[in-house]
Amino acid sequence: EPEVTQTPSHQVTQMGQEVILRCVPISNHLYFYWYRQILGQKVEFLVSFYNNEISEKSEIFDDQFSVERPDGSNFTLKIRSTKLEDSAMYFCASSIRTGDYEQYFGPGTRLTVT
Amino acid sequence: AQSVSQHNHHVILSEAASLELGCNYSYGGTVNLFWYVQYPGQHLQLLLKYFSGDPLVKGIKGFEAEFIKSKFSFNLRKPSVQWSDTAEYFCAVNAYNQGGKLIFGQGTELSVKP
Repeated sequence: EPEVTQTPSHQVTQMGQEVILRCVPISNHLYFYWYRQILGQKVEFLVSFYNNEISEKSEIFDDQFSVERPDGSNFTLKIRSTKLEDSAMYFCASSIRTGDYEQYFGPGTRLTVT
Repeated sequence: AQSVSQHNHHVILSEAASLELGCNYSYGGTVNLFWYVQYPGQHLQLLLKYFSGDPLVKGIKGFEAEFIKSKFSFNLRKPSVQWSDTAEYFCAVNAYNQGGKLIFGQGTELSVKP
C-alpha cells in the first residue's frame, strides 16, 4: 500500500537555525498538508498546498515558515529561524482531493529546538 | 472558529468491554467528520468518516460512529474491544467546501487490559 514518508524522523537543532523537513507524498495525490503537534497538545493545521501554491494557511504559519514542492515527488517545510516553541512533531499528509477525501499521514518528524 | 472537543483524555478498559468515545464539534455549517487512530509507533490512519447519508457509519476493525447533527456530535463506538485496540484516537472535522483543513480534537488514549 502506498505510504507518505518523512525524513528525518528526528531533528535536533539550535535556536535560530534553519531546518527543512522533507516529505514524499503518495504519487497520485494532488493536495498536500503540514500539521504539527506540540507535546501534550492537539494536532494543529499549518498549511495546505495545491497546484504549486498555498491554498490555506493557519495563523501559526507566519513568515518564518515556507513550503515548497521542488520536484515531482518531494514536499518540504522550511523553518527559517527556529524558536524553542517550534519543538513539536510535524506531520505531512496528502490526499487525492479535499473535503471528505481521506488524508494519508506520514510518520512525522520530531523537531527538537535547543 | 471551528473547534473539536473530545470528552475523555484517557480511557482504560478490559478486553471485551464496550467502548464509546465522545466527540463534539463547534461549527454552524455542513461538515465532514473523521476518526483517525494512531497505534503505538505508527502513523495516523483513518478509521472511518462521515460526509452525507446514513448518520451511522461503519469503519475498519469493527468500529462505528454516529453523527447526531442536533448535538454536534460524532461519537465512536465498538461493542467489544481487544487488546490490539490500544491506541490514541482523534476526532477531526473538515468544513464542507472550504478546502482540506482538518481540525482535530485533543485525542483520547485508549488502553485495553488483556
